[in-house]
Amino acid sequence: EAEVAQSPRYKITEKSQAVAFWCDPISGHATLYWYRQILGQGPELLVQFQDESVVDDSQLPKDRFSAERLKGVDSTLKIQPAELGDSAMYLCASSDLSGRYNEQFFGPGTRLTVL
Amino acid sequence: ELKVEQNPLFLSMQEGKNYTIYCNYSTTSDRLYWYRQDPGKSLESLFVLLSNGAVKQEGRLMASLDTKARLSTLHITAAVHDLSATYFCAVDPLSGGGADGLTFGKGTHLIIQP
Repeated sequence: EAEVAQSPRYKITEKSQAVAFWCDPISGHATLYWYRQILGQGPELLVQFQDESVVDDSQLPKDRFSAERLKGVDSTLKIQPAELGDSAMYLCASSDLSGRYNEQFFGPGTRLTVL
Repeated sequence: ELKVEQNPLFLSMQEGKNYTIYCNYSTTSDRLYWYRQDPGKSLESLFVLLSNGAVKQEGRLMASLDTKARLSTLHITAAVHDLSATYFCAVDPLSGGGADGLTFGKGTHLIIQP
């Protein structure tokens, strides 16, 4: 069964360091999302891509976060510099919008701990 | 701004009992999703509800959508321990322009005790 792949699964870093997360969506899914989930809360959208273009990054803290999907397939989310409050699970999801609805399939996530 | 509220946030129940989780949302939408999350794991899609009156069932779980009341319910019948998890509802805000990131509720942490 096709799955969304993410790496690394866990990342521990110190405050002010740079971190990067990678996501490979389900093959053929043109839409890719990055969400952040703080412990005990629901996921919150950071950025949405349609192919290689950003559709929505209104909730992305652009002073320290960046995201790219250069060839419209896999994607990288970067944080520089990391802050203590960035500790969270970072989830990638993809969907195929060729149908009528927007069922999003989530990857296993990257759990980030900032010390 | 779309708000999605779930209740209860925590629920402890005994095996064999029935219960309902409620999901209210603040703006017009006819696309609502239910996900399950086990501790430390990612989200698993349970149900996709796309129209007023939609009802979906899978095993002991049944989800419904009332778009006029802006309310979805997830009903658990004769609960078993394996259903212990956190359940999230999520709404597509229909923002237009292709932006369709989901807005999630805070989740309902469900514990089912023998």
